[in-house]
Amino acid sequence: KAGVTQTPRYLIKTRGQQVTLSCSPISGHRSVSWYQQTPGQGLQFLFEYFSETQRNKGNFPGRFSGRQFSNSRSEMNVSTLELGDSALYLCASSLRGTVTDTQYFGPGTRLTVL
Amino acid sequence: AQSVSQHNHHVILSEAASLELGCNYSYGGTVNLFWYVQYPGQHLQLLLKYFSGDPLVKGIKGFEAEFIKSKFSFNLRKPSVQWSDTAEYFCAVNENNNQGGKLIFGQGTELSVKP
Repeated sequence: KAGVTQTPRYLIKTRGQQVTLSCSPISGHRSVSWYQQTPGQGLQFLFEYFSETQRNKGNFPGRFSGRQFSNSRSEMNVSTLELGDSALYLCASSLRGTVTDTQYFGPGTRLTVL
Repeated sequence: AQSVSQHNHHVILSEAASLELGCNYSYGGTVNLFWYVQYPGQHLQLLLKYFSGDPLVKGIKGFEAEFIKSKFSFNLRKPSVQWSDTAEYFCAVNENNNQGGKLIFGQGTELSVKP
């Protein structure tokens, strides 16, 4: 089975622009979670989608948004980029989206904001 | 707010030494606990998890962890490390009253094993 895939792998943007990142979960997985990884803050939860509905949300500003499609693929969008948004954005999928489920992580998208 | 603390930021060991990485969480309700590992250049992957039953759980590659509820701890152990264990290790918690996939991670511990 193919793992979680994320595109693009690298992105360079300038302040004020917006960006869309894509995540394809493992086939059959219905839950997709997004995390931001930075050297200073570590891994922080952004949001989780299950059956096209946002179920959980972390403490990020409204500039960060996401959605999930009927095939479970997910996108996250960051509008009005700031320098501090430079990070590795990780997507994880799980089969049933329960609290005991293992989350399988993708390779991440490295976003650099100049 | 719920938080996870990993006491050591960087641990350096020689091969065959024993390993124990500390993890404490702040939530008083029922939690599910995970250890993930990130080898250089690779994805985060699950080492082991605990959600009920025997508090001593065994994972892949000879790792184990013990859940001590009274100490809010979930420490990771390995009796004898190998050079290939060099990686970053993350402890994570998911509360039972969540609806699903919301992991709260510790800051991570970088392990360097000298051959």
